[in-house]
Amino acid sequence: GAVVSQHPSRVICKSGTSVKIECRSLDFQATTMFWYRQFPKQSLMLMATSNEGSKATYEQGVEKDKFLINHASLTLSTLTVTSAHPEDSSFYICSAKTEWGNQPQHFGDGTRLSIL
Amino acid sequence: DAKTTQPPSMDCAEGRAANLPCNHSTISGNEYVYWYRQIHSQGPQYIIHGLKNNETNEMASLIITEDRKSSTLILPHATLRDTAVYYCIVRASNSGYALNFGKGTSLLVTP
Repeated sequence: GAVVSQHPSRVICKSGTSVKIECRSLDFQATTMFWYRQFPKQSLMLMATSNEGSKATYEQGVEKDKFLINHASLTLSTLTVTSAHPEDSSFYICSAKTEWGNQPQHFGDGTRLSIL
Repeated sequence: DAKTTQPPSMDCAEGRAANLPCNHSTISGNEYVYWYRQIHSQGPQYIIHGLKNNETNEMASLIITEDRKSSTLILPHATLRDTAVYYCIVRASNSGYALNFGKGTSLLVTP
């Protein structure tokens, strides 16, 4: 089946550091990729939607200059958390979808980001 | 997308069938029912989806009522590894929008 690979799985870094998370679709072309964030004991919350070759669309309340998204190819999207602070600590999950019909959205295994 | 309602939690004995209900009374004609689950500290895993016919795959069965206002996900022989939060999501098949996750049902499979 379709596989989405997310890297790294865990990051621990100091406050002020910028962190890049990669999301790859391994066996299909992802015309659209999504980035979610999940705080403890809460459900996934959509941060942004990115389409290959165009600017990402951010959900209300998500700072686009804080969370930089690049979707340069049909198999790779990156999320960069710039100048991360402790309140940015969370579980970040990417997802990818093809344009074909009712094919489901597939998810990466998430990145646990801890800012000290 | 139509709203869904699921019980917050359920228990199931290992080896027994787990039947997880979902209400989606405002579902539209072109909207599919998708089921995902999230095991602790992992990304959501796709389970199954359907439009109006019952569906079965290697993981589960999906039973959709004739009026399509509710559905049931069936795990025929639950194992401890099936302990997870299960999400029922309704969305049009050609939607370019992301899946919206509610609170889901936390299923605990006990020995």
